[in-house]
Amino acid sequence: EDKVVQSPLSLVVHEGDTVTLNCSYEVTNFRSLLWYKQEKKAPTFLFMLTSSGIEKKSGRLSSILDKKELFSILNITATQTGDSAVYLCGSTGNQFYFGTGTSLTVIP
Amino acid sequence: GAVVSQHPSWVICKSGTSVKIECRSLDFQATTMFWYRQFPKQSLMLMATSNEGSKATYEQGVEKDKFLINHASLTLSTLTVTSAHPEDSSFYICSARDRTAAYNSPLHFGNGTRLTVT
Repeated sequence: EDKVVQSPLSLVVHEGDTVTLNCSYEVTNFRSLLWYKQEKKAPTFLFMLTSSGIEKKSGRLSSILDKKELFSILNITATQTGDSAVYLCGSTGNQFYFGTGTSLTVIP
Repeated sequence: GAVVSQHPSWVICKSGTSVKIECRSLDFQATTMFWYRQFPKQSLMLMATSNEGSKATYEQGVEKDKFLINHASLTLSTLTVTSAHPEDSSFYICSARDRTAAYNSPLHFGNGTRLTVT
């Protein structure tokens, strides 16, 4: 059964902390791994990963994919209260598969 | 866990015909469901918010007469692409939130429908 599993389900940290969000996947005909920040109604696209071992970086956020072990991580350094959100991991194969998300709360 | 089912998972239709896509919440009730379209850069664009028992709310630039949304029950919303054209070919995805969950709780996504218009 194709699936995407995220962990932890929720996380509470203090401003300035670094967090690592995990995403494992089992997807038939895997094409890409996607990270989104869920804000209001429409998720905001963060990264698309297709190749193993190549880190993608955007400001304080970075992500990497391991196609051998079938997982990806999303790192956020020097967290800010504005980073509080649900972070979604999704994978494209024959269909779209989303994880349940990790709810991140950053406390001032 | 909460499951959202979309049907069909893929469909091919001829230009000028209409296609209906269903989005069902299988083990929870949703007063609100969202419809998205995936564009080539993999970003999800919100098309409309489907409200049970009332008219859908469309985002700016989305033609409501072309993309008909009906939310007839607390577990079913449908998106009908009318008079489809090749440029409507895309991935259409729905999401829903359990009506008993907090407003900022995670949305549950369907697996998407790949529409190809020939």
